[in-house]
Amino acid sequence: EVKLLESGGDLVPVGGSLRLSCAASGFTFSDYAINWVRQAPGKGLEWVSAINGAGTDTYYTDSVKGRFTIFKDNSKNTVYLQMSGLTVEDTAVYYCAKTGGIGWFDDCWGQGTLVTVSS
Amino acid sequence: DIQMTQSPSSLSASVGDRVTITCRASQGISYFLAWYHQKPGRAPKLLLYGASRLYSGVSSRFSGSGSGTDFTLTISSLQPEDFATYYCQQYVSAPHTFGQGTKLEIK
Repeated sequence: EVKLLESGGDLVPVGGSLRLSCAASGFTFSDYAINWVRQAPGKGLEWVSAINGAGTDTYYTDSVKGRFTIFKDNSKNTVYLQMSGLTVEDTAVYYCAKTGGIGWFDDCWGQGTLVTVSS
Repeated sequence: DIQMTQSPSSLSASVGDRVTITCRASQGISYFLAWYHQKPGRAPKLLLYGASRLYSGVSSRFSGSGSGTDFTLTISSLQPEDFATYYCQQYVSAPHTFGQGTKLEIK
C-alpha cells in the first residue's frame, strides 16, 4: 500500500525557517516524482514545488522561489521542503503527493502538515 | 504561467442529479488535465487524469472530456458521498496550477 506521511509543521514567526519531511512507502521511491501542494485556511489548492524521481530536477512556484528548496534522500525514501523567509501568506496545510508516473498529476496524497506563520 | 478557471464556483444539486463542472485553461494544455475532489479536513483524491482517464477504483459515474483549453467533469448520478469540492489541475508545465475549486453542495 502506498503511503505518504508529512511531518515538521509548526508555529513559526515571520522570517523564520522550517523543514518539512515527507516519508514514503509502498512504491519504488526513486521512480516517481513528488509534489508539494499547500492549502491556506479556507482556500483552494496551490501547487508549490516538485522534484523528479532521481532528485536532479526541481520546480517551484514563483512566490516561493529563492525561499524554498525541495530535495530528497532516496536512501531514506523521504522528500524534504526547506522553507525560509516565511511570511504569513505561507500559512497553510502542506501536502506531499506522489505523481502518477506517466504524468505530473498526483495519485496518492499524504494527510498534510500545518504550517502557521505568526506575526 | 497557465491559469485555470473553473465554473461554477459553487453548485447546489440533489442526489441522483447529473452535474457538469467546466475548467478552462489560459493556453492549450493538450490533454494534460486532472480532476480531484476534496472533503473538508481531508486530503484531495484523484478522480481522472489525461482529461478523460478514470483513476483506478473511481466510480464510472465520473467522466471527463476535452482537450486544448476547455474541459468538463460530469457526474452522471450524484451520490451522497460526491458532495465535496472539485479541482482541476494542469500538469503540462510547471507551475502545475489548480483551478479555484467548485463546491458541490446538497440542495
